[in-house]
Amino acid sequence: LAKTTQPISMDSYEGQEVNITCSHNNIATNDYITWYQQFPSQGPRFIIQGYKTKVTNEVASLFIPADRKSSTLSLPRVSLSDTAVYYCLVGEGYSTLTFGKGTMLLVAP
Amino acid sequence: DTGVSQDPRHKITKRGQNVTFRCDPISEHNRLYWYRQTLGQGPEFLTYFQNEAQLEKSRLLSDRFSAERPKGSFSTLEIQRTEQGDSAMYLCASSSTATEETQYFGPGTRLLVL
Repeated sequence: LAKTTQPISMDSYEGQEVNITCSHNNIATNDYITWYQQFPSQGPRFIIQGYKTKVTNEVASLFIPADRKSSTLSLPRVSLSDTAVYYCLVGEGYSTLTFGKGTMLLVAP
Repeated sequence: DTGVSQDPRHKITKRGQNVTFRCDPISEHNRLYWYRQTLGQGPEFLTYFQNEAQLEKSRLLSDRFSAERPKGSFSTLEIQRTEQGDSAMYLCASSSTATEETQYFGPGTRLLVL
């Protein structure tokens, strides 16, 4: 499984756009990029998944450059409730997931 | 609620006791996964089932751990002779090989071994 590197923590203010970048230099051809969000004492929640270019849903956007060695999760106009840990994972869709330590996002008022 | 459910949500036990956790996946999902998460770490894979068959087990799953999914629906995870190091959040997830195969997680069972 491709290893991922993401910042340990990020800070933002309410209403700002937050971009979390994940590096995955050894991504394989069949690998997808998936992001999860986790609040304390809860299970991870699926946010978005993509293979290349750009994917957007009601919650976030995922930008993947042509070489796929990195990806950026974009959260528009964050609120206090977006304070959570965000995990970037790379692997084939049906494989077991390998989580790193994630990025702790703190949104301040 | 049609999400993944887990029971109990919390469990406190004494060292040496056996505990069993239950996971009910999303009804149409044929794959079921168990993970363990300790404080400050991401979830770690333990094992997974496709229908009733256990297809993969992590080296983290010592012989004190056993998981079953007898009818391909709910699953149980049992820990025998618990140790303090077993204290963690135990997470269950499910997915469907017929759709996008995204794993959806339950709320977890928090275990504290005294």
